[in-house]
Amino acid sequence: GENVEQHPSTLSVQEGDSAVIKCTYSDSASNYFPWYKQELGKGPQLIIDIRSNVGEKKDQRIAVTLNKTAKHFSLHITETQPEDSAVYFCAAWGEGDSGGSNYKLTFGKGTLLTVNP
Amino acid sequence: NAGVMQNPRHLVRRRGQEARLRCSPMKGHSHVYWYRQLPEEGLKFMVYLQKENIIDESGMPKERFSAEFPKEGPSILRIQQVVRGDSAAYFCASSPYNEQFFGPGTRLTVL
Repeated sequence: GENVEQHPSTLSVQEGDSAVIKCTYSDSASNYFPWYKQELGKGPQLIIDIRSNVGEKKDQRIAVTLNKTAKHFSLHITETQPEDSAVYFCAAWGEGDSGGSNYKLTFGKGTLLTVNP
Repeated sequence: NAGVMQNPRHLVRRRGQEARLRCSPMKGHSHVYWYRQLPEEGLKFMVYLQKENIIDESGMPKERFSAEFPKEGPSILRIQQVVRGDSAAYFCASSPYNEQFFGPGTRLTVL
């Protein structure tokens, strides 16, 4: 089944700097990779996703890159702002770590991003 | 188009009671997933349902936990005879296929 590793677990940056969060996955058949932002006391919010047929996708200040050969993908946030502070989760759509024939999202353990004013 | 709705947002139960968590998916979404999140941890898959069918329950404990998604009405996650270790945030997500949109969660506290 799929296994997703996410690094770093915590990241502190100054306002205006860039932040990069990296994830690796194990299942070469995985084909969909979303990123979620979770603010304290709220549910995860889908912020950007990428499918395996493209290598990069941008949406204003956020971008995601995918390297299928190396099986890793990254979230890039430029010109960070205090409101970017949250926990960010990556995920991969694959067979899941508990086996079974159904594809499911497997999540990384999260990165706590703190943007200091 | 309203987002995924969950209720209650907070639920307090004493050990041995039953907890019933509800999830109404986004309009047009026929796939529902339930996840559990412990403090400062990631999201753990529990169960995947489509209307009237459990597709994958490999992440759900075999005892005390059950889930349903009836033809009419919300999806229900039911925890019988709750124990303190069941205290967590429970999120549901609805999906048209593999994009998943999460609800605000139900925070269960077992006293």
